[in-house]
Amino acid sequence: QKEVEQNSGPLSVPEGAIASLNCTYSDRGSQSFFWYRQYSGKSPELIMSIYSNGDKEDGRFTAQLNKASQYVSLLIRDSQPSDSATYLCAVIYTGRRALTFGSGTRLQVQP
Amino acid sequence: DAGVTQSPTHLIKTRGQHVTLRCSPISGHKSVSWYQQVLGQGPQFIFQYYEKEERGRGNFPDRFSARQFPNYSSELNVNALLLGDSALYLCASSWGGGTARSNEQFFGPGTRLTVL
Repeated sequence: QKEVEQNSGPLSVPEGAIASLNCTYSDRGSQSFFWYRQYSGKSPELIMSIYSNGDKEDGRFTAQLNKASQYVSLLIRDSQPSDSATYLCAVIYTGRRALTFGSGTRLQVQP
Repeated sequence: DAGVTQSPTHLIKTRGQHVTLRCSPISGHKSVSWYQQVLGQGPQFIFQYYEKEERGRGNFPDRFSARQFPNYSSELNVNALLLGDSALYLCASSWGGGTARSNEQFFGPGTRLTVL
């Protein structure tokens, strides 16, 4: 069973702090990793994709991938109350094209 | 440019009925995937289509079926509805080619199905 594991939270951080969200996956051969943001009652929105080891930065977001440890993370700098949402980690496993999702981490940014 | 569109937005059915959900992908995208999301969980993969051919199927019963049309739009059909089919049904659109970036999937607003 190929799995994606996330801490369900809630992760609570004060406004302006760095939020760190983590995800582990079970298939060492996986090549594609994604972070989606989902507001309550809405559909998931793609915010970051990462395909190689290291860091990828886009505005206040940084995705980090460590394939040896089968670990992917998302850092949100200068967190804002509008960042309060559930963050879903998704992986495309070797030989597949479908996304396998974790159950999501709920982030709360306190004003 | 328009994003992924889905219809209807909400639907209420009773047990045993069937339902058809519709999805139009982003212009130029050739692949459509369907996911089911129940409250508190991540989306679960149901089907993926590319160029009208089924390219993958998740662990769902045969009551679930889908197809993709020449204009790349897609339908998801569910027969003999059960209470447990109540969920948010999501359609995702992607280019569908052979590169990593072509597999980036963009979701529509979803159809919320309630089975009574």
